[in-house]
Amino acid sequence: GAGVSQSPSNKVTEKGKDVELRCDPISGHTALYWYRQSLGQGLEFLIYFQGNSAPDKSGLPSDRFSAERTGGSVSTLTIQRTQQEDSAVYLCASSFSRQSTYEQYFGPGTRLTVT
Amino acid sequence: AQSVTQLGSHVSVSEGALVLLRCNYSSSVPPYLFWYVQYPNQGLQLLLKYTTGATLVKGINGFEAEFKKSETSFHLTKPSAHMSDAAEYFCAVSDAGYSTLTFGKGTMLLVSP
Repeated sequence: GAGVSQSPSNKVTEKGKDVELRCDPISGHTALYWYRQSLGQGLEFLIYFQGNSAPDKSGLPSDRFSAERTGGSVSTLTIQRTQQEDSAVYLCASSFSRQSTYEQYFGPGTRLTVT
Repeated sequence: AQSVTQLGSHVSVSEGALVLLRCNYSSSVPPYLFWYVQYPNQGLQLLLKYTTGATLVKGINGFEAEFKKSETSFHLTKPSAHMSDAAEYFCAVSDAGYSTLTFGKGTMLLVSP
């Protein structure tokens, strides 16, 4: 079946602009996660959604970052007023449930470059 | 708080040699432990995981890892490296029952002919 898809695969934006990154999880997966992968910082958790529950936003680095998940499926990560330190690969993952025993399936990522 | 330390940002081996990638964790509760592999321009793929039970876990592509509680380690091994194993490997930990993963900084495995 189809895996996790993300769009765009690459995004170049100017400092100060807003960007939206999209994630389509695997059908039937109720849990969805966003991670950021940057040089020197490794992989960092940003936010996760579980069904209709309030999302866990504890990993968002600033209030310029926000995310939503519509209809329990597609998710959009929005970064407002982008800064050069936001340059990274943003990875989305989904799993059948929030339980750790269920594997998280990762998408290929969106590479964001802020100039 | 949990943390993961991967010793060595780069490890080089010859084809056919033993692969050993080191991972140590810190967790205040019984951990779930994972190894992921990332090929260039791809997402992460789960190699293997430890949740409960047998401490030696086998994964895909001939990899295995052993959970050693006394050493707080979860090292990844493969008896004989193949060129196709060249990739970046990430160790991760989560609380039992919870889903947020805390990753190490990754180890790039280089395999030479």
